[in-house]
Amino acid sequence: ETGVTQSPTHLIKTRGQQVTLRCSSQSGHNTVSWYQQALGQGPQFIFQYYREEENGRGNFPPRFSGLQFPNYSSELNVNALELDDSALYLCASSLDSGRQETQYFGPGTRLLVL
Amino acid sequence: AQSVTQLGSHVSVSEGALVLLRCNYSSSVPPYLFWYVQYPNQGLQLLLKYTSAATLVKGINGFEAEFKKSETSFHLTKPSAHMSDAAEYFCAVTRTGTASKLTFGTGTRLQVTL
Repeated sequence: ETGVTQSPTHLIKTRGQQVTLRCSSQSGHNTVSWYQQALGQGPQFIFQYYREEENGRGNFPPRFSGLQFPNYSSELNVNALELDDSALYLCASSLDSGRQETQYFGPGTRLLVL
Repeated sequence: AQSVTQLGSHVSVSEGALVLLRCNYSSSVPPYLFWYVQYPNQGLQLLLKYTSAATLVKGINGFEAEFKKSETSFHLTKPSAHMSDAAEYFCAVTRTGTASKLTFGTGTRLQVTL
């Protein structure tokens, strides 16, 4: 069974640019959540996708957007990058969207904005 | 709104000593609580979760946690620390609503010394 994978592992961008991060969910999982983890902090919830529809959003501006595809893989897009967007971006998949479901995390994409 | 507080950003124990990592929650409804571990440059791995079944929850790698409603606590323990336990530990709670958003604490870095 393949776990959650993310690409790329590292990325360097400059302020104002746009970035797309990718996530492949664990086999059989229909729910994907994205988190931002700044250095020395706990992860912060960005949004969740369930069966290709956004299913909840955290306190992030609209320039953070996402997609979930029919195979349940997902993308996180960030427009107009700011220095504070530098962080580890984590994707997590779960069997379903219920609050008791375990979320399985990928290794993350480390984004540096210069 | 649900939240968790982790007391102690750094904990140092000797190898073989008891590990105690503290987590207190705030929730207006019965919470679902999770402990995750993060090794350097990796994603998060689930240690254990509480979903209103048994109050004493056993997890992987010899860790366990006890849900105490009267103290609003969910502390993580391990009887005997091993060098390989050195990592960052996060307590998390899921919020109510349609999305299984995880709200994380700020984390506790566990150091294990010889």
